[in-house]
Amino acid sequence: EPEVTQTPSHQVTQMGQEVILRCVPISNHLYFYWYRQILGQKVEFLVSFYNNEISEKSEIFDDQFSVERPDGSNFTLKIRSTKLEDSAMYFCASKLTGTGAYEQYFGPGTRLTVT
Amino acid sequence: LAKTTQPISMDSYEGQEVNITCSHNNIATNDYITWYQQFPSQGPRFIIQGYKTKVTNEVASLFIPADRKSSTLSLPRVSLSDTAVYYCLVGERRDDKIIFGKGTRLHILP
Repeated sequence: EPEVTQTPSHQVTQMGQEVILRCVPISNHLYFYWYRQILGQKVEFLVSFYNNEISEKSEIFDDQFSVERPDGSNFTLKIRSTKLEDSAMYFCASKLTGTGAYEQYFGPGTRLTVT
Repeated sequence: LAKTTQPISMDSYEGQEVNITCSHNNIATNDYITWYQQFPSQGPRFIIQGYKTKVTNEVASLFIPADRKSSTLSLPRVSLSDTAVYYCLVGERRDDKIIFGKGTRLHILP
């Protein structure tokens, strides 16, 4: 069964450093998402991406965050200058069409630790 | 998006059937009901979606009464590996993002 993959599984970085989290969505999917989950808290929506542009973003997704689909397979989330409060699990998700909103397929996540 | 209310946590034993009920009193005509499952340290996983009556797949059944103001996720004969957080979501199929609540933390005991 096709699945979303994410790398790395765990990233440790120092405050103020830039990090890039990588995702390979399911190959024929058209909609892409990033979510995050701070330890012990809810899964939070960050951004959705379709047709090479951001469709929607949350208040969390400020100027420090950016997303990119640099080629036909990867989808990346960049945090320019990490803060301690960016420590969380980051999940990438993808969806095939626009008609089944909740049928998103999530990756295993990247645990980001900012020290 | 319709607000949902579900139990914070539930315990059950292996081999039992588990029913998790979700209330969504202000569900709209175009809203669907969807359940996701999240194992510890993993991403959420789509389980089942329905609009009315009953839907069944290889993982679970979803029961939706005629007024659609609640729904029940039924897991038959649970095992330890069903220990997870279960999220009830209500919204239109054309909605883009998913807004997760706190979900129900299901703990299966041996």
